Amino acid sequence: SAVISQKPSRDICQRGTSLTIQCQVDSQVTMMFWYRQQPGQSLTLIATANQGSEATYESGFVIDKFPISRPNLTFSTLTVSNMSPEDSSIYLCSVEGSRDRAVRYTFGSGTRLTVV
Amino acid sequence: AQKITQTQPGMFVQEKEAVTLDCTYDTSDQSYGLFWYKQPSSGEMIFLIYQGSYDEQNATEGRYSLNFQKARKSANLVISASQLGDSAMYFCAMREGWYSGGRRALTFGSGTRLQVQP
Repeated sequence: SAVISQKPSRDICQRGTSLTIQCQVDSQVTMMFWYRQQPGQSLTLIATANQGSEATYESGFVIDKFPISRPNLTFSTLTVSNMSPEDSSIYLCSVEGSRDRAVRYTFGSGTRLTVV
Repeated sequence: AQKITQTQPGMFVQEKEAVTLDCTYDTSDQSYGLFWYKQPSSGEMIFLIYQGSYDEQNATEGRYSLNFQKARKSANLVISASQLGDSAMYFCAMREGWYSGGRRALTFGSGTRLQVQP
């Protein structure tokens, strides 16, 4: 199954600024998924990123706030724009894969964001 | 309606005992996949086990097994011989519409925090 390198692992940012999170996959994948996990909560899908097309956003998430790039089949970025303390969360990227004929989704190690 | 329901916010288990974490799901699709992930305090998501809706046998991965009851729409995780390192959050997740081109991302339950006591 794929290995994902996600950066940064954590950051503390000032409100009103933006942070770009990167995910690099060691193999080519069609889709990459971006999730947000607010403190004490479960994972919520932000968007699905396909190479060569605009990302598909879930209800409650908009491109202006969470722009996503997907320049090739192994890389994607998520930007959290004009941050407020409510954006303090763990952000995770994920890809679909398989191992031993079983499907599994691999996740990056997460970006723990604190907005002050 | 919730797609994935985990009714146990927290569970305690003694070291070396077995524990069952509950998960029920709601879907009208015939083809779907069910997953369990472990999330330690570090925040990473660790894959534990997968069950396809057409799999006739319950999935097993080492100390983890999935008690799949399709008619009841339940997919409980059983951890045998609990270890202190099993203390973490556990999430049940589902992917629907496997063959019908449905959304390919996972939908997660609210999670269960498991604490293993020595």
